[in-house]
Amino acid sequence: EVQLVQSGPEVKKPGESLKISCQGSGSSLRNSWIAWVRQMPGKGLEWMGMIYPADSDTRYSPSFQGQVTISADKSINTAYLHWSSLRASDTAIYYCARRPWGIAEWYFDYWGQGTLLSVSS
Amino acid sequence: QSALTQPPSASGSSGQSVTISCAGTSSDFGDYDFVSWYQQHPGKAPKLIIYEVSKRPSGVPDRFSGSKSGNTASLTVSGLQAEDEADYYCCSYGGSTNVLFGGGTRVTVL
Repeated sequence: EVQLVQSGPEVKKPGESLKISCQGSGSSLRNSWIAWVRQMPGKGLEWMGMIYPADSDTRYSPSFQGQVTISADKSINTAYLHWSSLRASDTAIYYCARRPWGIAEWYFDYWGQGTLLSVSS
Repeated sequence: QSALTQPPSASGSSGQSVTISCAGTSSDFGDYDFVSWYQQHPGKAPKLIIYEVSKRPSGVPDRFSGSKSGNTASLTVSGLQAEDEADYYCCSYGGSTNVLFGGGTRVTVL
């Protein structure tokens, strides 16, 4: 069974940088994409992008391109979401989720518990 | 591409059925059957309940069913139970490795 464990809640100030993590377990992660999904307070889900840790192939939603950086360390089965300069509007819960590898596999079958990010001066 | 369009709320009595629609454009859904649905209880992570329009992951009750016609996908929950009260999100591959979510529908069991 796949498990995704995310890093803990963060409280940051505008302008600060941050990297949150998502560590996976289970052999099936070798053939998986890891996606990041944002959920702003009281709002719906937004797909930010995804990475294939085996070769670091990364895709971004047009809405998030240039706003965040997605990376991974395949040696420790971990994906990251990085901000270089946070804004108050980045306040949200961020989920990582697994997308199985495959041309027809466009769904997210395992999810992390979410990382709550609060950005305020 | 904008988010897929879902009604903000839906309700049904215990034991009855409720159907949630998910509308997009031809470019949102394309020629693909890559529609999935997620259930999210308050304070919890989303859970996959339908993929590839109508397939259920192991462990998801067959009370949950999905379909798609043209540019509208639908989720039906039959035999509503108290634990089905949650937010439901549709999701589709929108081409060019872009993924779209619907705005979400809150289901209330009366």
